[in-house]
This record gives sequence, structure tokens and C-alpha cells, in this order.
Amino acid sequence: GNSVTQMEGPVTLSEEAFLTINCTYTATGYPSLFWYVQYPGEGLQLLLKATKADDKGSNKGFEATYRKETTSFHLEKGSVQVSDSAVYFCALRAETSGSRLTFGEGTQLTVNP
Amino acid sequence: DGGITQSPKYLFRKEGQNVTLSCEQNLNHDAMYWYRQDPGQGLRLIYYSQIVNDFQKGDIAEGYSVSREKKESFPLTVTSAQKNPTAFYLCASSMDRSSYNEQFFGPGTRLTVL
Repeated sequence: GNSVTQMEGPVTLSEEAFLTINCTYTATGYPSLFWYVQYPGEGLQLLLKATKADDKGSNKGFEATYRKETTSFHLEKGSVQVSDSAVYFCALRAETSGSRLTFGEGTQLTVNP
Repeated sequence: DGGITQSPKYLFRKEGQNVTLSCEQNLNHDAMYWYRQDPGQGLRLIYYSQIVNDFQKGDIAEGYSVSREKKESFPLTVTSAQKNPTAFYLCASSMDRSSYNEQFFGPGTRLTVL
């Protein structure tokens, strides 16, 4: 079946540090890949997405590249801010799943001033 | 403003009672979803609906029921058969069943069973 594996959290960084959150997936065919962010007490917001191999999604300084050869979609940001503190979810939508999403477990990020 | 509303934000119920969570969207989206989120876990799909008057079970449908009588509304009932209902419930919608359309999420309802 389809699955998403994220690096275990929590992750704690100082402001302006470099961020990487690893995400790997298992799916048949060519899934679409997503990163969602959840701020405390809120729903999820789409952060970025990529729909085919080698696509790079980017938004608010965050980037992730769809790597088919390593089945990965790692999230990166060059300089994090305190306001980036949130839970980050990697998700996929398989070709055969219609509009259903499969989520990873989420990674809690805390950025200290 | 277009969006998804969920009410109430916090809900308390006694064991053995059914409770209904509201989800409304004014985005004119065809597809709607209910997820459950537990601490330290990802989202798990309870039910989804791709068109009015039709819905399908997700991965953890036992103890839950839904209806989709109107395009903009997709209420979720947590029945007394749900063994561990305390959780954060998220509703989402997407334009249609296409794999390219993102899902938009509501702010969630936190249900606590006393």
C-alpha cells in the first residue's frame, strides 16, 4: 500500500539555522507530493507541492524536490524563524487513489530565538 | 471570505452519547473529507465524499457515520460505538477528485469524552 515516513521529531533549532525534515514514500506509479504545516490549535495549511519527478515546490523560503530515484521529498529552509515553529506533515496522493491523501506522522519543529 | 468552518471548536461529551461535528464549506468544492488526529500521529481518514449523496469509508470508519445531503455540508457523527473518540477532528475539501487538487482544511474540532 501507500505510505509516508518522516524523520522523527521533535526538532529544535536556533533562529537562522538550516532546516531539513526528511520524507520518504512508498507508492506505485507517480504520486503527487505535498508538505502541509499546522500551527498550534489550527487546521493544516498547504505549504508546497510537486506533481512530477524533479519538480521543486517552494513557498515562504521552504523548498522540497521530488526525487523519484530515492522516493524522497525532503523539506528544507535556509534560515528558520521563530514563527516557523509548527508541525510539518508530508503527504502523498497516489495516482490510483483519486483525491485521497496519505499522511506521514508529522514532525514538530521548535525554533528558539 | 471563502473557506471551511467547523463547529464547535471544543466539544465535550459523556461516554455513551452520540455527538455530531459540523463542517461547512463555501468554496463550491465537490469533495469533502474527515480526518482524525491523535497526539504524535499523522492524520487518518475516517470518511470522504466525492459528490453529493455519496460517501466512502476511509481507513478508520468504525464507530462513525456521515451524510452528504448538500454540497456545502458534510457532518460527522461520532457514535457510542467508537471505542476511543477523544481526538482532534479535521474536515477538508478539494475541488474535485483529481489528484492534482490540493485539500483545504478547516480549523478543527477537539472532542473530549468525559
